[in-house]
Amino acid sequence: GDSVTQMEGPVTLSEEAFLTINCTYTATGYPSLFWYVQYPGEGLQLLLKATKADDKGSNKGFEATYRKETTSFHLEKGSVQVSDSAVYFCAPASGGSYIPTFGRGTSLIVHP
Amino acid sequence: DADVTQTPRNRITKTGKRIMLECSQTKGHDRMYWYRQDPGLGLRLIYYSFDVKDINKGEISDGYSVSRQAQAKFSLSLESAIPNQTALYFCATSDPSKRGVYNEQFFGPGTRLTVL
Repeated sequence: GDSVTQMEGPVTLSEEAFLTINCTYTATGYPSLFWYVQYPGEGLQLLLKATKADDKGSNKGFEATYRKETTSFHLEKGSVQVSDSAVYFCAPASGGSYIPTFGRGTSLIVHP
Repeated sequence: DADVTQTPRNRITKTGKRIMLECSQTKGHDRMYWYRQDPGLGLRLIYYSFDVKDINKGEISDGYSVSRQAQAKFSLSLESAIPNQTALYFCATSDPSKRGVYNEQFFGPGTRLTVL
């Protein structure tokens, strides 16, 4: 089955700092790739996605590029805000069912 | 109103008790899922259902059972709760008409279960 490795957190940044959260995966076939975000006290919600090699998913200032050659999907944001404090999950989805496999999550804490 | 609702939101119970967690959705999706979240372990799939007559075990189904009462309802039961089932439980749905590349999952707010 699929597997995913995310950098361990928490990641602590000051407001307006640059963010990178690394994600590498193993998957059968040609997976779709997702980043989900979980704000405090809430369920997960889709942040962005990419479905083929070199695709760039983007949303709310976050970006991630589907790198097939390195099996990576690193999440980046140029200038984080306090409101970005949350847990971020990388999730490849492949196989016939396309059920995502979630990473362990990376907690981001942004200080004013 | 929320598209995916879970009840109860919080529950404290004792070892050996039977517990049912309920999930309802108004999104009209055929696919529904149950996950548990533990600190440092991410989300792990317990059971999933692709339609009312199709139920499948996930990664960690031991100690759990499910019932798909209707397209909109998917319940998770712990027949005899034990302390290591203390966790945050999430229900999710997805739309098979967008199978594959757009298989986005929509999550409920979660149920925090504590087994003493």
